[in-house]
Amino acid sequence: DAGVIQSPRHEVTEMGQEVTLRCKPISGHNSLFWYRQTMMRGLELLIYFNNNVPIDDSGMPEDRFSAKMPNASFSTLKIQPSEPRDSAVYFCASRPGQGMGQPQHFGDGTRLSIL
Amino acid sequence: AQSVTQPDIHITVSEGASLELRCNYSYGATPYLFWYVQSPGQGLQLLLKYFSGDTLVQGIKGFEAEFKRSQSSFNLRKPSVHWSDAAEYFCAVSEPGNYQLIWGAGTKLIIKP
Repeated sequence: DAGVIQSPRHEVTEMGQEVTLRCKPISGHNSLFWYRQTMMRGLELLIYFNNNVPIDDSGMPEDRFSAKMPNASFSTLKIQPSEPRDSAVYFCASRPGQGMGQPQHFGDGTRLSIL
Repeated sequence: AQSVTQPDIHITVSEGASLELRCNYSYGATPYLFWYVQSPGQGLQLLLKYFSGDTLVQGIKGFEAEFKRSQSSFNLRKPSVHWSDAAEYFCAVSEPGNYQLIWGAGTKLIIKP
């Protein structure tokens, strides 16, 4: 069974450019999470989708960040315009519903560097 | 508010030695408890979880963890570490029925040959 697939694995771009990160959750999982990981702040939840609907976006840093989930098998996280402080590893995770103790399954992340 | 404390930022152990990584949480009732491992350049992989029943849970890669309600702890153990266990380990908790995981800051495990 394929895990959570993220692309690209690495992205290096100049500040001001638009960045789009992609995620394919595990088939049948109806909860999807976007996280950001940095040395200073650790793992931060950016946004949570359930059944393709954004439920909690309180972690999205500012209006430059947006996320969509047009269908059950695809989500994007977009940063426009990007800034050097957005450099981090971005993870997507999915989970099979909201049942008892269901763990989140993580992709390998996108390492983003904004120059 | 819930919180998770992993008091050790780094731990160094010799290959073949036993390991215990500490995790304490702050929550009124029994939360769901998880341990994840992150190898360099990889995502987080679930090692084990606890939500009810036997307080000693077995996970993958020879790891186990024990839930102690009286100490609000969920420490991770392994009897004999291997060089491949070098990674960062994260403890996480969630309130039953809540989607959100509260994460510890992580403990980096270094293995001495």
